[in-house]
Amino acid sequence: EVQLVESGGGLVQPGGSLRLSCAASGFTFSDYYMDWVRQAPGKGLEWLGRVRNKANAYTTEYATSVKGRISISRDDSHNLLFLQMNSLKIDDAAVYYCTRPNNNYYMDIWGKGTTVTVSS
Amino acid sequence: DIQLTQSPSFLSESIGGRVTITCRASQGISTHLGWYQQKPGKAPKLLIYAASTLQAGVPSRFSGSGSGTEFTLTINRLQPEDFTTYYCQQRSSYPVTFGGGTKVEMK
Repeated sequence: EVQLVESGGGLVQPGGSLRLSCAASGFTFSDYYMDWVRQAPGKGLEWLGRVRNKANAYTTEYATSVKGRISISRDDSHNLLFLQMNSLKIDDAAVYYCTRPNNNYYMDIWGKGTTVTVSS
Repeated sequence: DIQLTQSPSFLSESIGGRVTITCRASQGISTHLGWYQQKPGKAPKLLIYAASTLQAGVPSRFSGSGSGTEFTLTINRLQPEDFTTYYCQQRSSYPVTFGGGTKVEMK
């Protein structure tokens, strides 16, 4: 079964950092680009960024709103995706989803999400 | 960044009816548009990609059309499970962006 499972969410203080992980299974993780998307409570979807595969030098793209504060990386040997976010603000509170873009670059596989709360 | 504007934000329709949701892009994106369905408390689900291609397993009552800057998602013969929120998303250029969402409610 193709599956993405996020972990690492929880309570973070304003100004703090978070590192989320996503464990992939059921497909050849190393072949695919991978994305992070978030959704603040009661709000819409916000794409955060993408890491390409090894064939594309693991290059990254980021949303304008978070560029400079986030880093997306991957460990193909363990089928893991990571999101590092720094200088967290109240507005960063959201459910964070790990997603897999298909060969047409649309997100066809999603994890269930992990919740990040930002509060002092 | 390319802005995607969905309209309406909310709409009401009856079971068995038809709804059309519009997504307008701030600049031309060819057919590089997808549609997602999201139920409360769940992750989004890809319905349509490349503006009009139905994702595997998605019922044929869903259809998409458009190119350039204007796109539509049509749901025919609304079923109870279709009353939820829909988002468009462009992949024409980085950063990838989503529309603000349309909630379809039961009349």
